[in-house]
Amino acid sequence: EIVLTQSPATLSLSPGERATLSCRASQSFSSSLDWYQQKPGQAPRLLIYEASKRAAGIPARFSGSGSGTDFTLTISSLEPEDSAVYYCQHRSDWLTFGGGTKLEIK
Amino acid sequence: QLQLQESGPGLVRPSETLSLTCTVSGDSITRYPYYWGWVRQPPGKGLEWIGSLSYNGNTYYNPSLKSRVTILVDTSKNQFSLKLTSVTAADTAMYYCARHATNGCYAGFRCPLDYWGQGTLVTVSS
Repeated sequence: EIVLTQSPATLSLSPGERATLSCRASQSFSSSLDWYQQKPGQAPRLLIYEASKRAAGIPARFSGSGSGTDFTLTISSLEPEDSAVYYCQHRSDWLTFGGGTKLEIK
Repeated sequence: QLQLQESGPGLVRPSETLSLTCTVSGDSITRYPYYWGWVRQPPGKGLEWIGSLSYNGNTYYNPSLKSRVTILVDTSKNQFSLKLTSVTAADTAMYYCARHATNGCYAGFRCPLDYWGQGTLVTVSS
């Protein structure tokens, strides 16, 4: 079973700054890695699929990259509404999620 | 506009069976090539995929839950349901139903989840 480790656990940044969230896999796999955003009291929302493709309606400031065991979600210029928990998800055998990164906007 | 809505008891006794239903509106759950899934989230914790159902009734389960989980479909009501047996306090969670994406993905239940219900909280307690 592939285990996904996300870092940092918590990230606190100011509006306009750049956020870099990491997702590391215990084994190498292809690009079947997705990112979700979850705000308090809401269901997760798909942001990025296949490591780098933006889902419908997702702002261009969100981007994904990586392959093998190291994947990154970048938010180029933070907005106050980006405050949320971000999860990566792998789906080679079945669906597994990372533990999440909590992003706080100061 | 596709919408999913979970429903079911908010409280289940230990050792009993948790039963939830997801009602889908805006499209047919039997339409090719849709897959539908269940995901849960214990309070304050991360996400766990429970299992999924294909448009033609095939099911796929998380190996860690497989012995206790059944996903069923009611095509007449455009619903699919989750049954989890022998529940314990560890099964207390927000339960979400969701649809697997079809845009550019041909891997069925291994596709990302693009539409989600709002979730329903189930507490296991005596």
